[in-house]
Formats: sequence, C-alpha cells, structure tokens
Amino acid sequence: EAGVTQSPTHLIKTRGQQATLRCSPISGHTSVYWYQQALGLGLQFLLWYDEGEERNRGNFPPRFSGRQFPNYSSELNVNALELEDSALYLCASSLGDRFEQFFGPGTRLTVL
Amino acid sequence: AQTVTQSQPEMSVQEAETVTLSCTYDTSENNYYLFWYKQPPSRQMILVIRQEAYKQQNATENRFSVNFQKAAKSFSLKISDSQLGDTAMYFCALNAGNMLTFGGGTRLMVKP
Repeated sequence: EAGVTQSPTHLIKTRGQQATLRCSPISGHTSVYWYQQALGLGLQFLLWYDEGEERNRGNFPPRFSGRQFPNYSSELNVNALELEDSALYLCASSLGDRFEQFFGPGTRLTVL
Repeated sequence: AQTVTQSQPEMSVQEAETVTLSCTYDTSENNYYLFWYKQPPSRQMILVIRQEAYKQQNATENRFSVNFQKAAKSFSLKISDSQLGDTAMYFCALNAGNMLTFGGGTRLMVKP
C-alpha cells in the first residue's frame, strides 16, 4: 500500500512569490493535515482538511491557505513568501481526527 | 490549550543498551491519544507507538514500550536493545481532538 506522497521534494522561491505544495493521502484516508517544521521552532500545526472542508487551522496568517480535492488529495498555498517561511512542510493523513497520522516525506521550501 | 514538553534535547546510548525518553503533557480533555514519532535523518516521520488515554495498560511494540502515568501526565518511551538504526529525533505528540501537538523533540544517538 502506498504511503503519503508529497511533491515537489524541494522548492526554491524568492520573497514575494507564491508556493504551491501538494499531498496525496493514503488510500481510504479522508483527513489531511499540514505541518510546518522550521529550524529551531519544532513542528507547528498549520491546517486540517476533512471531506473537502477546512476543519481547523493553526496560528498562521491567512496567506497560508489550501484546499482538499474530491479525491482527498490536498494543496497548500503560501502567498507573498517571506524569508521565515523557509521550512520543511509535512503532510499527514488519517482515517479521522482521533486516529494516528501517517506522514509524507515532506517538501523543503527555501525562500531567497 | 494543550502542551507537550520533552525535557531532554539530546541523549546517547550504547548499542544493545536501554534508554528512556521523557515526555510530559497537559490537556483538559479526558479522551485523548498519545504518540511517539521517530524522524531519522531522511526526514520521514515514522509512527513508533500509540497510547489511548482510556487504556491503563502500557502500549508495547517490539523493542519499544511506554510508561503512561495519566495522573502525572507523563508518557515516557523506553527503547530496549538499542540499535544503530534507532538514531533519530524522537517526538512525543498529543492528539486531544483534530490536531497533533508536538514536543520539541529529543535527539537520540546510538553509539556502536
């Protein structure tokens, strides 16, 4: 069974640009979560999508947004990139909000 | 609000020995789940073990076991017969509803 996949592996952008990150959950999982892992700041919860709806978001500005498609894959968009957005972005999927989350390999975003 | 604290930023252990990683948490929820995740240098976050708060019995997965003390809000991970492949960052995580809250992590080095 395929695990959670993320693309691209690496993404390099300049300040002010927009970044789009993609995630495909494990087959059968309806919940997708996004986390930011910045150096020195640990893992921070960004967004939770379930059944196509945004269910919860962490303490991040509105320029972090996303969506979930009918096939449960998800996209994270980061607008007006800032240098401090440089981080590893991890996607996870689960069967529901109380189940364990399985993580993808991450997308390394570098903002120059 | 929920918090997770890992008080040991770094630890080391000799191969084949036993090591215990500490974790304390705080939540006002009665129904919650606790997890230990491992993140090796490859960056892929891997689920190590899971504990439901309503279960008194400590979870065990092969060489990995937990000591869950609900009243003390403590959730430590014991790794027996440590192997070189156990070298990684270990994160304690709490799910009290729709998102994971992570501790700051413990970097474990297994020495030959």
